[in-house]
Amino acid sequence: DAGVTQSPTHLIKTRGQHVTLRCSPISGHKSVSWYQQVLGQGPQFIFQYYEKEERGRGNFPDRFSARQFPNYSSELNVNALLLGDSALYLCASSLDRAWETQYFGPGTRLLVL
Amino acid sequence: DAKTTQPPSMDCAEGRAANLPCNHSTISGNEYVYWYRQIHSQGPQYIIHGLKNNETNEMASLIITEDRKSSTLILPHATLRDTAVYYCIASSRGGSYIPTFGRGTSLIVHP
Repeated sequence: DAGVTQSPTHLIKTRGQHVTLRCSPISGHKSVSWYQQVLGQGPQFIFQYYEKEERGRGNFPDRFSARQFPNYSSELNVNALLLGDSALYLCASSLDRAWETQYFGPGTRLLVL
Repeated sequence: DAKTTQPPSMDCAEGRAANLPCNHSTISGNEYVYWYRQIHSQGPQYIIHGLKNNETNEMASLIITEDRKSSTLILPHATLRDTAVYYCIASSRGGSYIPTFGRGTSLIVHP
C-alpha cells in the first residue's frame, strides 16, 4: 500500500513569493496534518484537517493556510515567503481525528532565498 | 499538552538495549505518552504509546512509572538502523489537537 506522498520533494523560492505544497494521505485516512521542521528542531504543528474542515491550528501567522479536498488530499499554502520559512514541511495522515498513530510523509524541503 | 524533557543525545552499542528516558512530570490523567522517531531525512515514525500500563510491540517496549511522571522507551537489541532522533510526547487523544514535539534525543548506535 502507498504511504503518505508529498510533492514536490524540494523547492527553491525567493522572498515574497507564494508556495503551494501538496499531500496525499494513505487510502482510507480522513485526517491530514501539516508540520514545519526547522533544521535541528522537532516538527512544529501547523494545521489539522479532518473531513475537509480545519480542526486544529498551531501558532503560525495568517500567511499560512491550508485546505482539504473531497478525496482527502490537502494543500498547504504559504504567502509572502520569508527566509525563516525555509524548512522541511511534513504532512501526516491518520484514520480519524485522534492522532495516536499518525503516518508521516517524507516531507517537502523548502529553501527561501 | 504536558511538557516533556529528554536528554539531547545518547549512544548505545549495537546489540545492546537502548533505554531512552523521558520526563513528563506535569502529565495529566487523560494524557498518553507517545514515542516517535525520525531517521535522518525521513518523516517521523510512530513507535508506541501508553497511558499507565507498560506496553510492548514489535519495535519497542514502553515502561511508565507508577506516578506517570516519567517513562522509558526500550529498544531491546539496538541495530545501526535505530540511529535516529527519538521524540517523547505527552498528549490527550483527540480533542484539542496541538501535539508538541520537542528536540528529542539523538540516539547513535555504534558498532
